[in-house]
Amino acid sequence: AQSVTQLGSHVSVSEGALVLLRCNYSSSVPPYLFWYVQYPNQGLQLLLKYTTGATLVKGINGFEAEFKKSETSFHLTKPSAHMSDAAEYFCAVSDPRAGANSKLTFGKGITLSVRP
Amino acid sequence: DAGVIQSPRHEVTEMGQEVTLRCKPISGHNSLFWYRQTMMRGLELLIYFNNNVPIDDSGMPEDRFSAKMPNASFSTLKIQPSEPRDSAVYFCASERGSYNEQFFGPGTRLTVL
Repeated sequence: AQSVTQLGSHVSVSEGALVLLRCNYSSSVPPYLFWYVQYPNQGLQLLLKYTTGATLVKGINGFEAEFKKSETSFHLTKPSAHMSDAAEYFCAVSDPRAGANSKLTFGKGITLSVRP
Repeated sequence: DAGVIQSPRHEVTEMGQEVTLRCKPISGHNSLFWYRQTMMRGLELLIYFNNNVPIDDSGMPEDRFSAKMPNASFSTLKIQPSEPRDSAVYFCASERGSYNEQFFGPGTRLTVL
């Protein structure tokens, strides 16, 4: 079975500061990895994903994440936080052996606050 | 494209009543997912369909919950009878087979009194 760990429930940064949201996974095979973002009163939307190839992936809104197999991690970063980045962020995994349309396993999510 | 459409957006009902949540996936998407989100339990997958066929309903909490997908453009999640602990935001998401790029609807906020 796969699982995702997002330590902590809340991260607060100053506007312009580095954003680092941590994600560790457990999987018997190298998984597909995802970050989704949820703005207040909205559904989730995909930020970025890693399936194969380059381990550093870039997403929307200046976010990027790096797949590190040795550390079983997929941390999300952004060099400079903006007020509009305040949201809840979810890391998720899926089993590549299950093919397309397989299900995602989500972490509990981390709320990012950005201070002026 | 209008995106995933869910109705109603808000539902307030009394314990014991039947509740039906509706979802219209994005046209051309062949997978549909129902999730429940609460503060205590986070985001939980309840059930998902591929090509209108239920694939995994292991997340459905109990027999009070049922889901159907009679055609490619419509799905329902029904709770009968509803209980206060069912209060949550219920999301529907659809996918076109592009390796888990799921598109979420705006959710239905359910309150059971």
